Parts: sequence; structure tokens; C-alpha cells
Amino acid sequence: DQQVKQNSPSLSVQEGRISILNCDYTNSMFDYFLWYKKYPAEGPTFLISISSIKDKNEDGRFTVFLNKSAKHLSLHIVPSQPGDSAVYFCAASEGGANNLFFGTGTRLTVIP
Amino acid sequence: DGGITQSPKYLFRKEGQNVTLSCEQNLNHDAMYWYRQDPGQGLRLIYYSQIVNDFQKGDIAEGYSVSREKKESFPLTVTSAQKNPTAFYLCASSRTSQVLSGNTIYFGEGSWLTVV
Repeated sequence: DQQVKQNSPSLSVQEGRISILNCDYTNSMFDYFLWYKKYPAEGPTFLISISSIKDKNEDGRFTVFLNKSAKHLSLHIVPSQPGDSAVYFCAASEGGANNLFFGTGTRLTVIP
Repeated sequence: DGGITQSPKYLFRKEGQNVTLSCEQNLNHDAMYWYRQDPGQGLRLIYYSQIVNDFQKGDIAEGYSVSREKKESFPLTVTSAQKNPTAFYLCASSRTSQVLSGNTIYFGEGSWLTVV
């Protein structure tokens, strides 16, 4: 049973606009969340993370928002650039455990 | 350059054969992991190792085996008992076994295994 879900398999956004990628989870014990970016035939690279004690974390053009009551997190990319085109995975961890639970990914396409 | 090296990048296996995927890291990380990705699915954990000579089963360990004789190396053997081995395999490592701020999991570039 998928504990981390990304319900949008793909998203297209115009260059310069905001990209919003969503992620939902079912396990209320998850307390650390991460976003990874993946290009074809490469391993995922870490993008940004957030602890459950926060509701927002920002790093340059990337901001992650966490809504614990809704068990929902989102990644905002502003402004979007063509180089951001990739598959984005959200992942969650419980109590700092080794086992990261990944979503199925959202393919973002930024149109020049 | 520091990083995680997986080899081979592409591998074909006949049914009934065992194959071993190599994973080497020079990041001096204690923890190492193997994940599997299937089309339309998230990454799933096969095995992980928190320290040399120790490893634990992940969610989908059946049909796989690992060893951790050296800190830098965590090879994965896909045995003939694995019913659906065709997938993209990712090796990863982290400084310690705790997934916390400042201790992110870093991934290799992956290995494609195809059973023919």
C-alpha cells in the first residue's frame, strides 16, 4: 500500500511561472520529508527537505510547505526554468529511520 | 571526485542466472542502501547497511542478497529466486544511518537490469 502518493504523474508549466508539485502521505508518524529530482537514466539528487516541526523551508527558488493536519506537502519552484524539467519524487521518513518511502514521482516539463 | 559508482550501467541476464551489481562509494559514508524502481512506481528499499558487516532487509528483499565486507562497497546479487528482476536499481549512501537534516541520502546513477 502506497504510503506516499503523488497523484499528478505530469505537470507542464511555462518558463518563469510557478511550478507546484504536490504530495500526500498516510502515515501520521512520518516526521521528515524530502524532495528529490531525477533526470532520465540518473540517480535522484536531493533537492530540499523539511522536518515536521516546521511548516515551511526555503532554499533559493525552491520552497517546501508542510500541512501536517492534511498530511500534505508541496514543492514550489519560482520562477520555473527549462533546466527544472525532470521527475520529482517526494519521500518521507519515520523517526529518522533508514527506510525512505517514496512517491511515484511527477514529471515536470518547463516550456521555454 | 567523491561519489557513488554503480556498475554496470546496463546488464542483461538470462533467466535462472544470478547477477551481481556493484556499488562503490568514496564519501566515507557509514550507511548504504539498494533501491529498486519500476515504471510508474516509487523507489522501494531492497536492503540497507548501517555499518560494515551488518545489513538489514528492506521492503522487498526476497530474491536478493547483499554483503558489506568493506565500508566503500555494497554489492547486490539478484538471484534466480527473484521473479521479476527487470528494473532500474539504485545504490545510495548516507553519512550515518539516521535520515535527518544534514544527513541526506545520496544516490548513484543506477543500473538497468533486463532479463532476457
